[in-house]
Amino acid sequence: GAGVSQSPSNKVTEKGKDVELRCDPISGHTALYWYRQSLGQGLEFLIYFQGNSAPDKSGLPSDRFSAERTGGSVSTLTIQRTQQEDSAVYLCASSYPSAPGEQYFGPGTRLTVT
Amino acid sequence: AQRVTQPEKLLSVFKGAPVELKCNYSYSGSPELFWYVQYSRQRLQLLLRHISRESIKGFTADLNKGETSFHLKKPFAQEEDSAMYYCALSGANNLFFGTGTRLTVIP
Repeated sequence: GAGVSQSPSNKVTEKGKDVELRCDPISGHTALYWYRQSLGQGLEFLIYFQGNSAPDKSGLPSDRFSAERTGGSVSTLTIQRTQQEDSAVYLCASSYPSAPGEQYFGPGTRLTVT
Repeated sequence: AQRVTQPEKLLSVFKGAPVELKCNYSYSGSPELFWYVQYSRQRLQLLLRHISRESIKGFTADLNKGETSFHLKKPFAQEEDSAMYYCALSGANNLFFGTGTRLTVIP
């Protein structure tokens, strides 16, 4: 079946603008994760959604970052007032809740803040 | 605190030579460890998990709790093994990733 999809694949924005990144998880995967991959860094956990439970936002780096998951499916990561240090690849993953270590990743959104 | 360390950013080996990608972790509980791989222009994907003790594409990894290590090994490297490899530790709600090792297999 279809894998995790993300849009856009690339986004260039000016410093100070807001951006929205979208993730469509695999159907049936109730767990959804956002990670950030910066040059030379590993993957940095941002936020986790599981079903209708309150999300785990412990990885969000600042209050400029927020995320929603509507209807238990599609998720949107929003970055307000973007800064140059926000430039990175943003990865979305989904999994069955019984297998949180077996995550299926999307292709990522490359964000460049100029 | 949970942490995953991959000490080598880059690793080059000749085709047919053995390869070992190092991974060390720190975790207070009973760890679940994984190796993920990203081939050129492909998405990150699960390679293997320590629980299943499987061999995937000739790769194996043994969890050594005494040394807190989960090194990835293959006896004979192939050119198609060239990729970025990430070691990951499962936390309560997410995976903790190392910084990755880029493996290049020289023909």
